[in-house]
Amino acid sequence: KQEVTQIPAALSVPEGENLVLNCSFTDSAIYNLQWFRQDPGKGLTSLLLIQSSQREQTSGRLNASLDKSSGRSTLYIAASQPGDSATYLCAVLPSGGSYIPTFGRGTSLIVHP
Amino acid sequence: ETGVTQTPRHLVMGMTNKKSLKCEQHLGHNAMYWYKQSAKKPLELMFVYNFKEQTENNSVPSRFSPECPNSSHLFLHLHTLQPEDSALYLCASSKDRANTGELFFGEGSRLTVL
Repeated sequence: KQEVTQIPAALSVPEGENLVLNCSFTDSAIYNLQWFRQDPGKGLTSLLLIQSSQREQTSGRLNASLDKSSGRSTLYIAASQPGDSATYLCAVLPSGGSYIPTFGRGTSLIVHP
Repeated sequence: ETGVTQTPRHLVMGMTNKKSLKCEQHLGHNAMYWYKQSAKKPLELMFVYNFKEQTENNSVPSRFSPECPNSSHLFLHLHTLQPEDSALYLCASSKDRANTGELFFGEGSRLTVL
């Protein structure tokens, strides 16, 4: 059974820092890995999707990498801003035809001015 | 705007009421999901539908009854709920594997059971 772990569970940093959020998974037979952002009381917003054949994806100040062999993905946030404060979740979709992703518990990020 | 719309956004109901949550997507997706998110708890998968057929029921109590009349609409019918069912209910949809399999979420329906 796939297990997804996100470290750290919570992070508080001053504005301007570069951040690394980690996501690890136990089964490397994945179809894709997706990073989401969730603001309090809201739905999940897709940030980046990495297909299993890809190594990284970039969008603005965000960069996500994938290393299937080691079961790891990192989300890099450059020059953090208070507006980046949210919970960040990663989800892994398995290969083999299942439509059911496995989610991590998330990293709660606070960026203070 | 993710393309997945949930209504109502907020719902307060008594334990004897019957109400429904609605989810709609016009993204051409074939898979639709209901998730429950309680305070301080991780996302909890409830149901999955693929091309209108239920493919997953994650041991959800029968007081939650899903309905998927077509690939664009998903309902969650609620009956005789308990206060512990108060949570944020999230709908999601995804493309099939001929595409990327990317998952899109609605804004959620915040349910309070009195």
